[in-house]
Amino acid sequence: QSALTQPRSVSASPGQSVTISCTGTSSVFGGYNSVSWFQQHPGNVPKIIIYDVTKRPSGVPDRFSGSKSGNTASLTISGLQAEDEGDYYCCSYAGTYTLIFGGGTKLTVL
Amino acid sequence: VQLLESGGAWVQPGGSLRLSCAVSGFTLRSYDMYWVRQAPGKGLEWVSGISSSGDSTNYADSVKGRFTVSRDNSKNTLYLQMHSLRAEDTAVYYCAKPCGGSCIDHWGQGTLVTVSP
Repeated sequence: QSALTQPRSVSASPGQSVTISCTGTSSVFGGYNSVSWFQQHPGNVPKIIIYDVTKRPSGVPDRFSGSKSGNTASLTISGLQAEDEGDYYCCSYAGTYTLIFGGGTKLTVL
Repeated sequence: VQLLESGGAWVQPGGSLRLSCAVSGFTLRSYDMYWVRQAPGKGLEWVSGISSSGDSTNYADSVKGRFTVSRDNSKNTLYLQMHSLRAEDTAVYYCAKPCGGSCIDHWGQGTLVTVSP
């Protein structure tokens, strides 16, 4: 059981918005405020889409946004597109070269 | 930037393997590095991390005492020595380059380790 809890699956129709939560404890998130989100399509390596809670790497559409409130981080995808379908993982830096991944959420675009 | 893992294989329970990750396109000695694994059909699991100099390491509880991470910055290569392998260690093993905190901006293509009789 992961120390970061994500819903196993979410679904929405094209054009809609969807939010994926990632709930942990204060010790899991630590004082680093370093939460990332990764997208993974079947057979591919993970790709970072959000880092440092809210920042988007270059090339990632602004439809993807991140936030955090208390011990819950969230990834919101607006204007859902078919290619957004895949698995999404949150990840927190817990200090001393340690990462904690959430269990992953399967996003289905209906 | 490229990370190329090798060394994955089929091995019997209790066996050993050494994975390598050869990097190019960046200066390995400037970065802490991670190993992350993914069991078939399962999620991502952090395995180990190592400081840029190699002086400091950390391991997931599931592999502590059995796996050892090391690096040779002069050879631009990261290693993961695995002993006493178990069926639950079966996974694709990725080496990963961080971009600060939990940010990982480059992953290798992964190498498959299969532990079974």
